Amino acid sequence: EDQVTQSPEALRLQEGESSSLNCSYTVSGLRGLFWYRQDPGKGPEFLFTLYSAGEEKEKERLKATLTKKESFLHITAPKPEDSATYLCAAAKNPGAGSYQLTFGKGTKLSVIP
Amino acid sequence: EPEVTQTPSHQVTQMGQEVILRCVPISNHLYFYWYRQILGQKVEFLVSFYNNEISEKSEIFDDQFSVERPDGSNFTLKIRSTKLEDSAMYFCASRRDNTNEKLFFGSGTQLSVL
Repeated sequence: EDQVTQSPEALRLQEGESSSLNCSYTVSGLRGLFWYRQDPGKGPEFLFTLYSAGEEKEKERLKATLTKKESFLHITAPKPEDSATYLCAAAKNPGAGSYQLTFGKGTKLSVIP
Repeated sequence: EPEVTQTPSHQVTQMGQEVILRCVPISNHLYFYWYRQILGQKVEFLVSFYNNEISEKSEIFDDQFSVERPDGSNFTLKIRSTKLEDSAMYFCASRRDNTNEKLFFGSGTQLSVL
């Protein structure tokens, strides 16, 4: 069975304190690994897609990396506005219409001023 | 930036009643999806829809569920006879085409079945 597991479940950081979120996956035929941000009462907001081990992508204070078994979301010098739940999701066939994403439970990040 | 719009934001219904959740995907998108999130649980795939037919559905999407694109702009999810366990946040999502992996989600409809 395909599984996506995220850790930690919750993370509290001081503003400026860098850290990493982990996503481990066991998905047969992985075609893409996705990171989303979810604010309370909102739908997931797309951040990154990673396709192959060794790939990295950056956006502002966020950098996502991928290995054969894990993905990391590194947050450098976070600000309070980075507080949100970060979701990891794996897709088996992102190029096709079915596009079924298997999500992890998320990491709830709180950045304290 | 264009948005996926969902209505209503909250829906309360009695067990056994039919509900219709409505979505307006982004106008030039071709692929449409429903996901749901039970409180404290993972976001789960329900169904994908393309070219006016279901392309894939999960085990959750049983005969009580149906989807429809009644006109050129709306995309609906109908639950025929709601159960208590259908209480969840339901998200509609859309994607532009086969070459684009970016999935846009709406803000969701919180369904409460009493």
